[in-house]
Amino acid sequence: AQKVTQAQTEISVVEKEDVTLDCVYETRDTTYYLFWYKQPPSGELVFLIRRNSFDEQNEISGRYSWNFQKSTSSFNFTITASQVVDSAVYFCALSERISGNQFYFGTGTSLTVIP
Amino acid sequence: EPEVTQTPSHQVTQMGQEVILRCVPISNHLYFYWYRQILGQKVEFLVSFYNNEISEKSEIFDDQFSVERPDGSNFTLKIRSTKLEDSAMYFCASSVGKVIAGAYNEQFFGPGTRLTVL
Repeated sequence: AQKVTQAQTEISVVEKEDVTLDCVYETRDTTYYLFWYKQPPSGELVFLIRRNSFDEQNEISGRYSWNFQKSTSSFNFTITASQVVDSAVYFCALSERISGNQFYFGTGTSLTVIP
Repeated sequence: EPEVTQTPSHQVTQMGQEVILRCVPISNHLYFYWYRQILGQKVEFLVSFYNNEISEKSEIFDDQFSVERPDGSNFTLKIRSTKLEDSAMYFCASSVGKVIAGAYNEQFFGPGTRLTVL
């Protein structure tokens, strides 16, 4: 079973639209961390946010916001007023205490922002 | 700001050849990792390394693979006899510590080495 599911494979939006990227995770652990990474066409992984399992506060950083809901095991990512530079593949990832340090990545959502 | 570095950025090799991918983790980090991303697919865990030995490894990390910390700064991934299916982006990462209650283990990723096996 997938520990991290990103059901949206590809999304296209027109510039300035808002877009939400979904992430659903599965874990038996009570201590875990969730992450979002951005992978631009150049290939590197750019860290966006980390959230631990004890902190369900939503977070906003500029045009980015994250909605963490333990009740639905979701950690969704919203980009407000999207820009062409937001075009990339976005990965959600899970790290659990019980499985050591490894990250479990979702399959990624490819976002294309059309000018 | 400290960062993880990887060399080379792109390596092309013939099937059956040995390759060594190099990484320099962040200096005060204790845990080191290798991940693989086949083109268009998700990033997959290969191995973690702590205190000069393998801490965890995935099913992908078979006898073809080995890791080493040959000196105080480098962390290497060796593929003994490359296969076509080893073509992928290989990411090195490092972290201060493990996931424990009250602390976090943010892994910092390097820029990756793109391995092409012909």
